Amino acid sequence: AQSVTQLDSQVPVFEEAPVELRCNYSSSVSVYLFWYVQYPNQGLQLLLKYLSGSTLVKGINGFEAEFNKSQTSFHLRKPSVHISDTAEYFCAVSEAGGFKPIFGAGTRLFVKA
Amino acid sequence: NAGVMQNPRHLVRRRGQEARLRCSPMKGHSHVYWYRQLPEEGLKFMVYLQKENIIDESGMPKERFSAEFPKEGPSILRIQQVVRGDSAAYFCASSLNRESSYNSPLHFGNGTRLTVT
Repeated sequence: AQSVTQLDSQVPVFEEAPVELRCNYSSSVSVYLFWYVQYPNQGLQLLLKYLSGSTLVKGINGFEAEFNKSQTSFHLRKPSVHISDTAEYFCAVSEAGGFKPIFGAGTRLFVKA
Repeated sequence: NAGVMQNPRHLVRRRGQEARLRCSPMKGHSHVYWYRQLPEEGLKFMVYLQKENIIDESGMPKERFSAEFPKEGPSILRIQQVVRGDSAAYFCASSLNRESSYNSPLHFGNGTRLTVT
């Protein structure tokens, strides 16, 4: 069965510093991978997705993620964060042929001035 | 706004009352998911429906919880005889069809925050 682990529940970082939010998954079949962002009192919005092709995926707001099949990881990165990036970030995995995306527990990113 | 609409945004119920949460999917979408979000636990899958059919309800508690998605009207998540442990944010998401459910992102509503007093 598929599962998603987000290794950090909270990540504090100073403004303009780089950040990496970690995501590992387990699955016995091909997967599709997603990162979503949730701002306070809102629903989730898609940041980026990996379906196939290049393992480096670029998303909105300057975020990117790299799919590493051998390490079953899909870490999210941004070279320079802004205060407005403060939010909760969710990694999600969907198995090819399946229909039920599984979400990680989320990582709260705090960007400090 | 053609996005996923959930109402109410906030719902307060006393223990033992019923809670009804509504979700209207994006225009043209015929599949709806319900997720529950508890602090520090992320999003937990509850149920996946298409119109007039429950596809997967493996995440639904066995008692007091039910969901439907009628041919006409919104999807409804119903919680009978609520208890304090039901307090959470409940999110609805929609997809175009089953085939797009795994390789296309879900479109989420802004959630209903249920508080049981």
